[in-house]
Amino acid sequence: LAKTTQPISMDSYEGQEVNITCSHNNIATNDYITWYQQFPSQGPRFIIQGYKTKVTNEVASLFIPADRKSSTLSLPRVSLSDTAVYYCLVGDMYDFGNEKLTFGTGTRLTIIP
Amino acid sequence: GAVVSQHPSWVICKSGTSVKIECRSLDFQATTMFWYRQFPKQSLMLMATSNEGSKATYEQGVEKDKFLINHASLTLSTLTVTSAHPEDSSFYICSARDRQGDGYTFGSGTRLTVV
Repeated sequence: LAKTTQPISMDSYEGQEVNITCSHNNIATNDYITWYQQFPSQGPRFIIQGYKTKVTNEVASLFIPADRKSSTLSLPRVSLSDTAVYYCLVGDMYDFGNEKLTFGTGTRLTIIP
Repeated sequence: GAVVSQHPSWVICKSGTSVKIECRSLDFQATTMFWYRQFPKQSLMLMATSNEGSKATYEQGVEKDKFLINHASLTLSTLTVTSAHPEDSSFYICSARDRQGDGYTFGSGTRLTVV
């Protein structure tokens, strides 16, 4: 399983765009990248998933460079409710539903009013 | 979207007693479910993989006789913490994946406090 490395914490002001980068240097060909958000005393919640280039949904964008050794989660115009821990995970797309997800430290994002 | 229902959301028990936590996949079947434990300010740590109709597989260092897992149907997995001790106090979370959805769906978690 590819190990991931993220900044431990980040602060940002409301209304700004926040970019959180994750390193996964030993990502395998079959691996895809997923980001989760976790609020205190709740289970993680799926945000976005991708394999390469750029993926966008209603809450975030995910940028993955050609070498796939890193990925960047972009949150547009953050609000106080975006204060949470964000986890980047790597999983085997051919092991669907059975892959053991390994959570790294995550990034504790604090939004400042 | 896919929903995983986890109960109870919190429980307080006396040392030496057992506690059962349920995890149900709603509107989808899950042959595999995962159980995690999370201590304050720490990341999620995988405890075991729950397999429908067969024995669970446990991660290194997790006592299978202490954390009993039963996955009797395609929508229900249970984790029983036997002879609980204060050091078992933690946040327990289950997850499963709906083939029709994106990513894994996690339960809301169970806060276990052993006194």
